[in-house]
Amino acid sequence: QVQLVQSGAEVKKPGAPVKVSCKASGYTFTRYNMYWVRQAPGQGLEWMGIINPSGGSTTYAQKFQGRVTMTRDTSTSTVYMELSSLRSEDTAVYYCAREAILRGHNWFDPWGQGTLVTVSS
Amino acid sequence: DIQMTQSPSSLSAFVGDRVTITCRASQSISNYLNWYQQKPGKAPTLLIYAASSLQSGVPSRFSGSGSGTDFTLTISTLQPEDFATYYCQQSYNTPRSFGQGTMVEIK
Repeated sequence: QVQLVQSGAEVKKPGAPVKVSCKASGYTFTRYNMYWVRQAPGQGLEWMGIINPSGGSTTYAQKFQGRVTMTRDTSTSTVYMELSSLRSEDTAVYYCAREAILRGHNWFDPWGQGTLVTVSS
Repeated sequence: DIQMTQSPSSLSAFVGDRVTITCRASQSISNYLNWYQQKPGKAPTLLIYAASSLQSGVPSRFSGSGSGTDFTLTISTLQPEDFATYYCQQSYNTPRSFGQGTMVEIK
């Protein structure tokens, strides 16, 4: 079955970067876009960006432009999300989610289990 | 960017109640609207795609409707396992924005 397994929780100091991984299995990795979504404690879902695992092209939310980098490794079917210059407001659970497409519509399914990133001095 | 607004932000209901959640887009998105359910400590899961299509494995008590700017998610007979937070999300364009969520609590 399609499965996304993310890396473990991270604790980072303000100003440091963090890199979260998402390993895909159960499907052809390069056929489906991957999204990153984050959720601050007690808050809603925030779309961060998308990566095309085939060619590596990316689109980022304007809010994260210049601070986020999404990459992929096709040899291991893994996508990565690196966020730099961390601040306390970046404390959140970060999710990867695969794009599903049908008849021109798309949605996020499945999702990874989430990775908690805590930014604290 | 398209803004998605859900109402109410939270509601309390009894098991067996009919529950309706509304989602409004800041511009027309045709039927490019998805609904997700999220339980505490878990990742969201898809309920409805393309405004009204039920995801495989989702109970038929869930239904979605709407087009353009106004959409609804209805739970016909609320079950104990339905107490969760529900999010709408537009897939019309990028960024793929979400509503702020509706928490459904036990009354």
